[in-house]
Amino acid sequence: GESVGLHLPTLSVQEGDNSIINCAYSNSASDYFIWYKQESGKGPQFIIDIRSNMDKRQGQRVTVLLNKTVKHLSLQIAATQPGDSAVYFCAEENTGFQKLVFGTGTRLLVSP
Amino acid sequence: DSGVTQTPKHLITATGQRVTLRCSPRSGDLSVYWYQQSLDQGLQFLIQYYNGEERAKGNILERFSAQQFPDLHSELNLSSLELGDSALYFCASSVERGFWAPTGGADRGGEQFFGPGTRLTVL
Repeated sequence: GESVGLHLPTLSVQEGDNSIINCAYSNSASDYFIWYKQESGKGPQFIIDIRSNMDKRQGQRVTVLLNKTVKHLSLQIAATQPGDSAVYFCAEENTGFQKLVFGTGTRLLVSP
Repeated sequence: DSGVTQTPKHLITATGQRVTLRCSPRSGDLSVYWYQQSLDQGLQFLIQYYNGEERAKGNILERFSAQQFPDLHSELNLSSLELGDSALYFCASSVERGFWAPTGGADRGGEQFFGPGTRLTVL
């Protein structure tokens, strides 16, 4: 199946480990951020979002952390499962411009 | 399954040709977005339509155009194709696109649901 390019940073973890995927965003004026998951042969899928007035948000097994000082975003996945294997993208938006800008992505490989 | 459909799944054509990619949004979604995903530039926003009208424009070339029809399906037209246009083209839809909410926001109907994509190969 088709997915993203081959030249992506890769994070390899064991099933059951916690995973942390990092993203450095570019625009200090961005005020909204999203993490997407893209499995092979599929389109991106929304995971979790966070606004710039927050520094942490939790979902089911996922947590997003935002550090505006250093323009850094991270996605933490607890108890990683083989089904979490995919490419993960962060996306940023300056809501005044109404356009999502995607990062290059990180490939997560989970071995049983 | 996101509920967004795209046709065709694969398209192979030659340089200089013109193609049309089609997208049917989820039932009830008024906004349609087009993205290009290539090996060297990742996922790039091209253009957005809301209820038939162009709402936002991204890195869309002049050789490319799009429209959204009264039944809310959308078409992306790519002309004078070049080798570098080879990519995955994704369509996404959301319930609405209020100016009060971020583009992809899960609140107020902004969450985008992506289709499976069309792989375009230009030879």
